Amino acid sequence: GQSLEQPSEVTAVEGAIVQINCTYQTSGFYGLSWYQQHDGGAPTFLSYNALDGLEETGRFSSFLSRSDSYGYLLLQELQMKDSASYFCAALNQAGTALIFGKGTTLSVSS
Amino acid sequence: DTGVSQDPRHKITKRGQNVTFRCDPISEHNRLYWYRQTLGQGPEFLTYFQNEAQLEKSRLLSNRFSAERPKGSFSTLEIQRTEQGDSAMYLCASSGVSGGGTDTQYFGPGTRLTVL
Repeated sequence: GQSLEQPSEVTAVEGAIVQINCTYQTSGFYGLSWYQQHDGGAPTFLSYNALDGLEETGRFSSFLSRSDSYGYLLLQELQMKDSASYFCAALNQAGTALIFGKGTTLSVSS
Repeated sequence: DTGVSQDPRHKITKRGQNVTFRCDPISEHNRLYWYRQTLGQGPEFLTYFQNEAQLEKSRLLSNRFSAERPKGSFSTLEIQRTEQGDSAMYLCASSGVSGGGTDTQYFGPGTRLTVL
């Protein structure tokens, strides 16, 4: 089967850096995506890694190691508005549907 | 606004009633997906369309569920004889024109269904 594991909760203070890890087991691997979801809102695409290495988009970076079946999302200069759930996701074997982890709830305090 | 839209945003119904949700994808996107999300979980795949063809269905999509995309544009998801276990957020997503399986999926705001 396919599964993605990530921590359920992370807490941090404003201005800090936080890393959310994701390990995966998939049959066929196309890459790792990250989505942000605020309470009651839609999942919003953050980043996608198809190849090993670091992708940087503003305050957010994402890393992938295919040999370790591992990735992470790095959030820098945390702001209160970053409090949300963060999901890692990978395509299924057919390359169509996304399989999501259970999500990591990030709480940022002042 | 050129994002994915869904209607209604909220639906409360009694057990045993039928409900229908609508999704309008990003206009140039040929792929459309339905997911279901319950509290504390990630979205779970239900079904996928490429243009008007329904190409994949999850085991979660029982025979009480049916989805259509009649002209390859908007899609509807109908649940017949609703059960309390159907209470969830129903999310629609669409992805882009290149046809590659790695196209980013963009999600709509969802329809929150409550079955009493």
